[in-house]
Amino acid sequence: EVQLLESGGGLVQPAGSLRLSCAASGFTFSTYAMSWVRQAPGKGLEWVSGISISGRDTYYADSVKGRFTISRDSSKNTLYLQMNSLRAEDTAVYYCAKPNSGSFYNPFDYWGQGTLVTVSS
Amino acid sequence: QVVLTQSPSASASLGASVKLTCTLSSGHSNYAIAWHQQQPEKGPRYLMKLNSDGSHTRGGGIPDRFSGSSSGAERYLTISSLQSEDEADYYCQTWGTGINVVFGGGTKLTVL
Repeated sequence: EVQLLESGGGLVQPAGSLRLSCAASGFTFSTYAMSWVRQAPGKGLEWVSGISISGRDTYYADSVKGRFTISRDSSKNTLYLQMNSLRAEDTAVYYCAKPNSGSFYNPFDYWGQGTLVTVSS
Repeated sequence: QVVLTQSPSASASLGASVKLTCTLSSGHSNYAIAWHQQQPEKGPRYLMKLNSDGSHTRGGGIPDRFSGSSSGAERYLTISSLQSEDEADYYCQTWGTGINVVFGGGTKLTVL
């Protein structure tokens, strides 16, 4: 059974940093690209960042480019999102998502349960 | 840039059918999409991938009450025999080189 378990969320002050993790199981993590998607309170889904199977290629939404860094450790079956220079508008539930086929350009077929990030003083 | 447009809300009666629409922006009518369901206070759940020709592949465990179809730039999700647990937000998603990943704004479905 595919499982994606996010962690690392919490309350952080504006301009602060936070690192999210997503522990993957139930599939061969090293053969899938992965993504982070967020959802602000009462709002819709917003894709944030993606990473290729090898980790060499990374992709970012304009809203987080230069502030967030996605990475992966396939030896630990874990996806990360390092978030710096956080703003109030980054407040959201952050989900990790797996595509239905290995490459990045595919629909997401599994989602985690999400971890809440609140940016507030 | 691709834009996916969804009506903010829809409603239908218990046991009836409802058809939700996701419209691709001009020049992108050949894109495939995916439909996702998000029940209250839960994470999204993948329903299906829907191609421009109307062919679709449901995710594991998704009942055949959920079906997809396409016409031009419009992508549809039809839910038949509506049940109370179908009350949820429904999002369409597309992807591609240069656009990365894009979501529609979502449709909130109310089951009356």
